[in-house]
Amino acid sequence: EAGVVQSPRYKIIEKKQPVAFWCNPISGHNTLYWYLQNLGQGPELLIRYENEEAVDDSQLPKDRFSAERLKGVDSTLKIQPAELGDSAVYLCASSDSLQETQYFGPGTRLLVL
Amino acid sequence: GNSVTQMEGPVTLSEEAFLTINCTYTATGYPSLFWYVQYPGEGLQLLLKATKADDKGSNKGFEATYRKETTSFHLEKGSVQVSDSAVYFCALNGGSGNTPLVFGKGTRLSVIA
Repeated sequence: EAGVVQSPRYKIIEKKQPVAFWCNPISGHNTLYWYLQNLGQGPELLIRYENEEAVDDSQLPKDRFSAERLKGVDSTLKIQPAELGDSAVYLCASSDSLQETQYFGPGTRLLVL
Repeated sequence: GNSVTQMEGPVTLSEEAFLTINCTYTATGYPSLFWYVQYPGEGLQLLLKATKADDKGSNKGFEATYRKETTSFHLEKGSVQVSDSAVYFCALNGGSGNTPLVFGKGTRLSVIA
């Protein structure tokens, strides 16, 4: 069974540029999460989807961050414009409705110059 | 709100030494508790979990017991190997359904031959 897929793995951009990250969850998992992991810290939730509905986006900085999961499968997280402080690892995870274990992708490491 | 506190690293051990990484939590309700491991360059992988008080999770020689009276979930391994070098994260969820994980800051373990 394929795991959670994320792309790109690495991204370097200049500040004020837009950037997008893509995630494809494990097949059949209806819950999808985006987490932010700063250096030396544990991951923190940005947004959680149940199918195509964002059910918890209270920690998403909505002035510059947006996310979508249009068909309830893969998801895109966007930052526009990026700031220096956005340099971090962006993790995607998924789980199904029967078990609470979350499975994580390898993450996208973003560096904003 | 919910929170997790784990011992700060880095922890450096010789091969075959005994490992303990302390984790305590604060939570409302009845959370499930998790240990995730992050090997260099990889995403988070579930190491073990426990869903109720006095449960013991175990995997790959690691184990942790859900202690409600001390609100702790310490990770232990009797004999570490070089391949166990990684960052270990203690986490909890809300205890009902697919709620987001709250992570500790992580503990880096280095095992030397």
